Amino acid sequence: KAGVTQTPRYLIKTRGQQVTLSCSPISGHRSVSWYQQTPGQGLQFLFEYFSETQRNKGNFPGRFSGRQFSNSRSEMNVSTLELGDSALYLCASSLELAGVEQYFGPGTRLTVT
Amino acid sequence: GESVGLHLPTLSVQEGDNSIINCAYSNSASDYFIWYKQESGKGPQFIIDIRSNMDKRQGQRVTVLLNKTVKHLSLQIAATQPGDSAVYFCAEMGGGSYIPTFGRGTSLIVHP
Repeated sequence: KAGVTQTPRYLIKTRGQQVTLSCSPISGHRSVSWYQQTPGQGLQFLFEYFSETQRNKGNFPGRFSGRQFSNSRSEMNVSTLELGDSALYLCASSLELAGVEQYFGPGTRLTVT
Repeated sequence: GESVGLHLPTLSVQEGDNSIINCAYSNSASDYFIWYKQESGKGPQFIIDIRSNMDKRQGQRVTVLLNKTVKHLSLQIAATQPGDSAVYFCAEMGGGSYIPTFGRGTSLIVHP
């Protein structure tokens, strides 16, 4: 099976802009979770989507949003980018909602200047 | 709030030695504890998990031990190889929250 894929792998944006990141889960996996990874804060949960609905949400501002499509592919959007949004954004898929065994993609490295 | 932390940020071992990576947790209500491995330039990779009603679980060359009395979790890697060099994260889930909480990570360096 193909693993989790994320596009793009690298992205440079300017403060105030918005960005959309894409994630394709492993075939058959219905849950997609998004994480932000930074050297200072480590790996932090953003949100989880299952059956096209956001089921769990971490402690991030409303500028961070996402959606999931009927084929389980997911997108994450960050509006009004801030310098502090520079991070590695990871998505992970699992078979079930709140699955313990999650499979991560390689991440999208976002740099905000 | 609840947190998951690691005792050592860096662990250096010789190839062939056994490695032990430790993790302290504070949410006694967590149902699952998970270990991930992250190699440079890659996303985390699931290694093994253990339920809170277990004390020990073994996988391929890895053993996870859970001590609920002192809220301590460890990952033992037998016969450590250079390919084991990576950052290892522990995480916890459950206890009413389905949001995983990750530790800060331990960097394992294996010297040939």
